[in-house]
Amino acid sequence: QGHLVESGGGVVQPGRSLRLSCAASGFSFNMYGMHWVRQTPGKGLEWVADISYDGRSEDYGDSVKGRFTISRDNSENTLYLQMNSLRLEDTAVYFCAKDWGLMENQDAFDMWGQGTMVIVSS
Amino acid sequence: DIQLTQSPSSLSASVGDRVTITCRASQSISTYLNWYQQKPGKAPKLLITGASRLQSWVPSRFSGSGSGTDLTLTISNVQPEDFATYFCQQRFSFPLTFGGGTTVDIK
Repeated sequence: QGHLVESGGGVVQPGRSLRLSCAASGFSFNMYGMHWVRQTPGKGLEWVADISYDGRSEDYGDSVKGRFTISRDNSENTLYLQMNSLRLEDTAVYFCAKDWGLMENQDAFDMWGQGTMVIVSS
Repeated sequence: DIQLTQSPSSLSASVGDRVTITCRASQSISTYLNWYQQKPGKAPKLLITGASRLQSWVPSRFSGSGSGTDLTLTISNVQPEDFATYFCQQRFSFPLTFGGGTTVDIK
């Protein structure tokens, strides 16, 4: 049974940066695509970004494109989300999630971390 | 972007009831729809993929159906552990999007 643990959340001022990490264990991390999904009480669940199993392709939601970068280190079984130019509306719980598909993203999330809170506030 | 509208946004049910949740897409998504269950303070759990394929942990009282723009999640004989919030999510096109959620609580 696999496990995902996010870290790096916190309180940050608008315009600043933050990097989230997601440590994976218990499954072959280098064989699965990964995603970041965020959740707010007001806007519900929002897909943020994904990355292929080998790190060669990425996609982003419209609201974060050009500001956030997803990456992964398969040697360390770790997923990252670099968040720049943070805005008030980026305040959310950020989850990392494993893709259901083996070596090909199927865009369903079959394992989630516990989430890390990001608060953007002046 | 494809918008997903869930209805109702909340409902109250008694143990043993049959519950139906609808997810309406702003354009046809065939059966490229997944369903999740989320309990308070927890991450969502994948329930159904491809509109109707149950994950291995999911009891057979759950079912998914539909295609195109109108898809449904049905829970027959609701049990106490089923009281939760349910979300649909489309994978027909990027960006991936979620419905607003349906909270099922105890009547």
